[in-house]
Amino acid sequence: GGIITQTPKFLIGQEGQKLTLKCQQNFNHDTMYWYRQDSGKGLRLIYYSITENDLQKGDLSEGYDASREKKSSFSLTVTSAQKNEMAVFLCASTPLGGTSAETLYFGSGTRLTVL
Amino acid sequence: QQQVRQSPQSLTVWEGETAILNCSYEDSTFNYFPWYQQFPGEGPALLISIRSVSDKKEDGRFTIFFNKREKKLSLHITDSQPGDSATYFCAASASSGSWQLIFGSGTQLTVMP
Repeated sequence: GGIITQTPKFLIGQEGQKLTLKCQQNFNHDTMYWYRQDSGKGLRLIYYSITENDLQKGDLSEGYDASREKKSSFSLTVTSAQKNEMAVFLCASTPLGGTSAETLYFGSGTRLTVL
Repeated sequence: QQQVRQSPQSLTVWEGETAILNCSYEDSTFNYFPWYQQFPGEGPALLISIRSVSDKKEDGRFTIFFNKREKKLSLHITDSQPGDSATYFCAASASSGSWQLIFGSGTQLTVMP
């Protein structure tokens, strides 16, 4: 078994502030993801990294940057926080090949509030 | 454009009843449909999945019924328990690689004791 650790669990920022969310996984998975979860809107993909030196934009990448520091870690930066923004950011990972790559393993999320 | 739709948005059933959660999709190339379960304060976790070559998948009290012609599927939870209270997400993809997954907006299930 393994675990995905997201830090911080709660993040409060000011409008216009640059904020960084961190994710660590010990599954030894190749692929990592960042999703945004808004109430009533499901999960939307922000960025993903197929392997350690890869970075791909998802459908919701505008306003965000991402960095894959090493195989086990993947960070997300909110480049300019928007006032009244409230969402949960979920990190996930999968192995690279085969049917096991279809199962996403999620962390417990970082809840962002922008004042 | 919402490619994966779920209904109802919220559902309340009594303990022991069967909960039925619905999902529909638009893209006929979708061939893999996982359902994820999310408890408050936690990330989603894979509950059960089905491929388009099957019309039914069962795992204990959880069963997916799949209708390819109508592009619909449903998750049936029989003998519902209070511990099943969670949000359930239907998702779909057309190819391998979980970055292709499209998630629905979720159904919040409450099971009353």
